[in-house]
Amino acid sequence: EMQLVESGGGLVKPGGSLTLSCAASGFSFGSYTMNWFRQAPGKGLAWVSSISGSGTYIHYADSVKGRFTVSRDSAKDSLYLQMNSLRVDDTAVYYCARNLGAIHPNNWFDPWGQGTLVTVSS
Amino acid sequence: QSVLTQPPSVSGAPGQRVTISCTGSSSNIGANYEVHWYQQLPGTAPKLLIYGNTIRPSGVPDRFSGSKSGTSASLAITGLQAEDEADYYCQSYDSSLSVIFGGGTKVTVL
Repeated sequence: EMQLVESGGGLVKPGGSLTLSCAASGFSFGSYTMNWFRQAPGKGLAWVSSISGSGTYIHYADSVKGRFTVSRDSAKDSLYLQMNSLRVDDTAVYYCARNLGAIHPNNWFDPWGQGTLVTVSS
Repeated sequence: QSVLTQPPSVSGAPGQRVTISCTGSSSNIGANYEVHWYQQLPGTAPKLLIYGNTIRPSGVPDRFSGSKSGTSASLAITGLQAEDEADYYCQSYDSSLSVIFGGGTKVTVL
């Protein structure tokens, strides 16, 4: 069974840092682009970042560019999101998800992890 | 404010048919980018419901169907069931903003 499990969320003060992890199992992790999404409390979904299977191609939403860094370790079948200079409006549940679809940019996402909550507050 | 516009809520009695619209523009849905749909049950992660405008993944009941025309797409749920009560999101791509989502629609089963 394909599974993604996020960890690393928590409470952090504005300006602080946090690193999220996403452990993958049940599929060939290194063959897929992976993504981070977030969902602020009571709000909709937003794409945060993507990283290709090789790690060569990396993209960020404008709202996190320069503050967040995505990486992956194929030996550990894991995806990471290092978040620096955190702001109150970064408060959200963060999800990782696998990229599907042969023809960019007609991509969809499946499966999704259960999410990890990041709260930025003083 | 989301780039794709969905109604905040729709409701229907058990057994009825409901539809959720997803309205975009010439830089996303109208540019022939595909639309995908996700179901998010309360307190859970999103789950893929429809991809490639109309395709149901294995395991998704056939009472869920998707369509697309021009700058809009729709998700239809026929034979509404209590377990369908959830938030539904459309997703596509925008030539200027990358991956985009609708604001979500809450489906209530009366």
